[in-house]
Amino acid sequence: DTAVSQTPKYLVTQMGNDKSIKCEQNLGHDTMYWYKQDSKKFLKIMFSYNNKELIINETVPNRFSPKSPDKAHLNLHINSLELGDSAVYFCASSQDRFSGRNSYEQYFGPGTRLTVT
Amino acid sequence: AQSVAQPEDQVNVAEGNPLTVKCTYSVSGNPYLFWYVQYPNRGLQFLLKYITGDNLVKGSYGFEAEFNKSQTSFHLKKPSALVSDSALYFCAVRDLSGGYQKVTFGTGTKLQVIP
Repeated sequence: DTAVSQTPKYLVTQMGNDKSIKCEQNLGHDTMYWYKQDSKKFLKIMFSYNNKELIINETVPNRFSPKSPDKAHLNLHINSLELGDSAVYFCASSQDRFSGRNSYEQYFGPGTRLTVT
Repeated sequence: AQSVAQPEDQVNVAEGNPLTVKCTYSVSGNPYLFWYVQYPNRGLQFLLKYITGDNLVKGSYGFEAEFNKSQTSFHLKKPSALVSDSALYFCAVRDLSGGYQKVTFGTGTKLQVIP
């Protein structure tokens, strides 16, 4: 009954490869996010989708492409991986259309630790 | 543009003593403010939020935070620290005055509770 799940938990790959990270939320939320947390623990938003529509696209290389097949899923595909892509990637979700007490706060997945060698 | 500042990289406190983790913010409209906690090798967990109403909000694990509009602060507090409170704490702000706005996180404060 995990609220926000990500797969895989660990991803070790070589430079130049293409990889994907999957995210699913079972909270019925309307908004999903991808964040990157670097080695200093700084958290940077990458993308946000509201009802499957891209609403935030921060300054992220176009090697990163999100895809939201439905409201419960937000996947992240990364082409031509580089050493600097090594980080922990977090998926999160929130209910942004006010529906009661539990609105606007984000629920995070456990993270995917990506190591590019 | 909105921003969040957590001026302390690390806060050390003795077990049983009160703790405060500081956060100040800047938004153009009304702020929605949040605190999250991150334990090692885990995702962030929501602790508490201020949207409207009482300036003192209570959250999980005995934490509370006080919204101070004049000082644009939202400091996290707990009357008696536990060793298990040791973690990384993030303050976050959203400004929803003009349609959808992104969340901005602070740089995090590492809380170390000393037995």
